[in-house]
Amino acid sequence: NAGVTQTPKFQVLKTGQSMTLQCAQDMNHEYMSWYRQDPGMGLRLIHYSVGAGITDQGEVPNGYNVSRSTTEDFPLRLLSAAPSQTSVYFCASSYSGSPNYEQYFGPGTRLTVT
Amino acid sequence: AQSVTQLDSHVSVSEGTPVLLRCNYSSSYSPSLFWYVQHPNKGLQLLLKYTSAATLVKGINGFEAEFKKSETSFHLTKPSAHMSDAAEYFCVVTPYDKIIFGKGTRLHILP
Repeated sequence: NAGVTQTPKFQVLKTGQSMTLQCAQDMNHEYMSWYRQDPGMGLRLIHYSVGAGITDQGEVPNGYNVSRSTTEDFPLRLLSAAPSQTSVYFCASSYSGSPNYEQYFGPGTRLTVT
Repeated sequence: AQSVTQLDSHVSVSEGTPVLLRCNYSSSYSPSLFWYVQHPNKGLQLLLKYTSAATLVKGINGFEAEFKKSETSFHLTKPSAHMSDAAEYFCVVTPYDKIIFGKGTRLHILP
């Protein structure tokens, strides 16, 4: 099993550009989520999904969109990149539609917006 | 509102001495609580979790945590620190369908 995979590992964007961060898992997990990690802030939840076709906002959703058309994939779209979105992004998944299980994290995507 | 507070942003201990990383939570009901560890430039790994079965929870690599409802705390301990324990540690609470991370405690191990 590959677990949770994220692409790309690194990305540099110019202000105003859009892009999609990819996240996939092969464990048939229902719950998937996106976080951003900034120094001194811990991980903050951006969006999450309790199953295919269902998404909801987390703590810091502005500037990001998600969709969940399949159980396996949960892409994160940056609509118009801003320097404030410079961060490390982690995708995670867990069994069932609840976060009360171990979260399996991807390796992260380091994004820089200039 | 649900929240989690890690009381120290940095902790330094000497190798072989005990480790204590403090976490307090706020929740209107008995939550699930977790500790995750992140080694430099790595993803996060589960250390242990509390889900109301037992108040003293044992995790990997000799870590354990005690759930104290009266104090709303879930402190992480280890009897003897090892150099490989140097990392950032996150306390996590899961109210309803969301996950809330503490801001993290960076553990430094002195030789």
